[in-house]
Amino acid sequence: ETGVTQSPTHLIKTRGQQVTLRCSSQSGHNTVSWYQQALGQGPQFIFQYYREEENGRGNFPPRFSGLQFPNYSSELNVNALELDDSALYLCASSGRTGDYSGNTIYFGEGSWLTVV
Amino acid sequence: AQSVAQPEDQVNVAEGNPLTVKCTYSVSGNPYLFWYVQYPNRGLQFLLKYITGDNLVKGSYGFEAEFNKSQTSFHLKKPSALVSDSALYFCAVRDMIRQAGTALIFGKGTTLSVSS
Repeated sequence: ETGVTQSPTHLIKTRGQQVTLRCSSQSGHNTVSWYQQALGQGPQFIFQYYREEENGRGNFPPRFSGLQFPNYSSELNVNALELDDSALYLCASSGRTGDYSGNTIYFGEGSWLTVV
Repeated sequence: AQSVAQPEDQVNVAEGNPLTVKCTYSVSGNPYLFWYVQYPNRGLQFLLKYITGDNLVKGSYGFEAEFNKSQTSFHLKKPSALVSDSALYFCAVRDMIRQAGTALIFGKGTTLSVSS
């Protein structure tokens, strides 16, 4: 158990809809990031939140957005869902990070999103 | 460009034999390297990391990895494989371009199959 919890575990959405995924970071971890793992692929970095602000982003369009709350929990929002958004979405947390921190990054169990 | 390569899609080994899962990387500067394991329909579990120091890193469940700067490799090893080690293994390197301490670049993964 990593202490990173995600909800929901599975969900099915229709193309064009919007989805919100939630994550509680490990106790004491103030940095949260989100990854997308398509079937048969390695995870891809979406973005990172630190001190309630996005401070790093991967190659994902603006319809992928997020929030971090004062208790360090986080949400991932995806608008205008496309079929290719079907994937496992992983939340990760870490302790205080600098730009190139060596802190360990712990992942949750993920949320499986299917877009039909 | 920054990248991680796992040249083998699958590694097969008999229980009790040593195992190696290969990883090579390409980043600027000194790399921060990680290994994670993923069991079916689960999230990622941290195994070990190399940040600096001794080139041989020991991690969870008897795994170790050897950092080789000249060959830009970070191979995962275990002296004696167990059937329960059968899973999907990911090598990752810290993204040194994005200003985000939790941004990792993952390989495509290697499926380890240990037979009894």
